[in-house]
Amino acid sequence: QKEVEQNSGPLSVPEGAIASLNCTYSDRVSQSFFWYRQYSGKSPELIMSIYSNGDKEDGRFTAQLNKASQYVSLLIRDSQPSDSATYLCAVAYNQGGKLIFGQGTELSVKP
Amino acid sequence: EAQVTQNPRYLITVTGKKLTVTCSQNMNHEYMSWYRQDPGLGLRQIYYSMNVEVTDKGDVPEGYKVSRKEKRNFPLILESPSPNQTSLYFCASSYDGEYTGELFFGEGSRLTVL
Repeated sequence: QKEVEQNSGPLSVPEGAIASLNCTYSDRVSQSFFWYRQYSGKSPELIMSIYSNGDKEDGRFTAQLNKASQYVSLLIRDSQPSDSATYLCAVAYNQGGKLIFGQGTELSVKP
Repeated sequence: EAQVTQNPRYLITVTGKKLTVTCSQNMNHEYMSWYRQDPGLGLRQIYYSMNVEVTDKGDVPEGYKVSRKEKRNFPLILESPSPNQTSLYFCASSYDGEYTGELFFGEGSRLTVL
């Protein structure tokens, strides 16, 4: 059974701080990794995708992938109250169409 | 406007009464998928479709059916709904199977089965 694990939180950080969200996965053949943000009562929206080891930066967001250790993380710099949401990690396997989501980490950014 | 449209958005039904949740996308995407979201369990994949006439089971397909007769539409069918299918359902699409995880989600359909 392929699994994707996240701490459910809530993770609370002060405004302006760096928020660090982590995700581990069980299957070494995983190919693609994604971070989604879901505001309460809304649908998930893609914020980052990462396909190879290392860091990928997009504005205040940085995704980090370490396939040897089977984890992927998301850093949010200069956190804002508007970043308060649940962050979902997702893993795709071998372009086969299956996409597994973690349970999500709730982030709260306090003004 | 690029979008994935689901209907109905809210539905209360009774056990055993067949229902269909429609999903339509206007982005010419090849890949479409259905998920259910439950508290504490996250998003779980029900079925997915890599292209027209090609569908496959996700992790929780029991009690559901799908069809993909046209590229834009991917309805979810509950032949005999039961209370354990009470959930929030999302339809999603992506450009093709190589980018399975870069999904556009619909707004969700909240289903209650009494």
